[in-house]
Amino acid sequence: AQSVTQLGSHVSVSEGALVLLRCNYSSSVPPYLFWYVQYPNQGLQLLLKYTTGATLVKGINGFEAEFKKSETSFHLTKPSAHMSDAAEYFCAVKTGGSNYKLTFGKGTLLTVNP
Amino acid sequence: GAGVSQSPSNKVTEKGKDVELRCDPISGHTALYWYRQRLGQGLEFLIYFQGNSAPDKSGLPSDRFSAERTGESVSTLTIQRTQQEDSAVYLCASSDFQQPQHFGDGTRLSIL
Repeated sequence: AQSVTQLGSHVSVSEGALVLLRCNYSSSVPPYLFWYVQYPNQGLQLLLKYTTGATLVKGINGFEAEFKKSETSFHLTKPSAHMSDAAEYFCAVKTGGSNYKLTFGKGTLLTVNP
Repeated sequence: GAGVSQSPSNKVTEKGKDVELRCDPISGHTALYWYRQRLGQGLEFLIYFQGNSAPDKSGLPSDRFSAERTGESVSTLTIQRTQQEDSAVYLCASSDFQQPQHFGDGTRLSIL
């Protein structure tokens, strides 16, 4: 069965600092991986996705993630945090055997300090 | 609007009452999903509709939960005889077939 583990339920960084949000997954099949962002009282917005091909994926708002099969990881990074990046971030893996189900991690709340 | 629309945005009801939540997907999207998001948790898959195919109801937590979809448009999620543990944000998403999901802002359900 697929599962997603997000290390750190809460990450705090200073404005301008590197953002690193960790995600590890387990999957019985080659994974499709996603990062979503959720701002307060809003739904989830897709940041980026990995399906096949290049393992370094660039998304919106300056975020990127690298798929590392050997480490079963898909960590999300951004070189320089902005106040507007404060939100909750969810990593998800497409469920094996399904072409639509996503298994989500429990989320990481990112706070950005001035 | 062009996005997924959910109503109501907030719902407070008494334990034991029935509630109905509505989702208007993006026009043309054939797939529609319902999720439940409990405080401090990730999203739990509830149900999936794809075109005229039989829905995948495997995530519905009990027979108190049901959902309907009219063609490729509006969907309603109904919770009968609500319990306090049903308190959560219920999110709807839609997509083209096998494409990334677009989410609505959710309905925040509180059971007193």
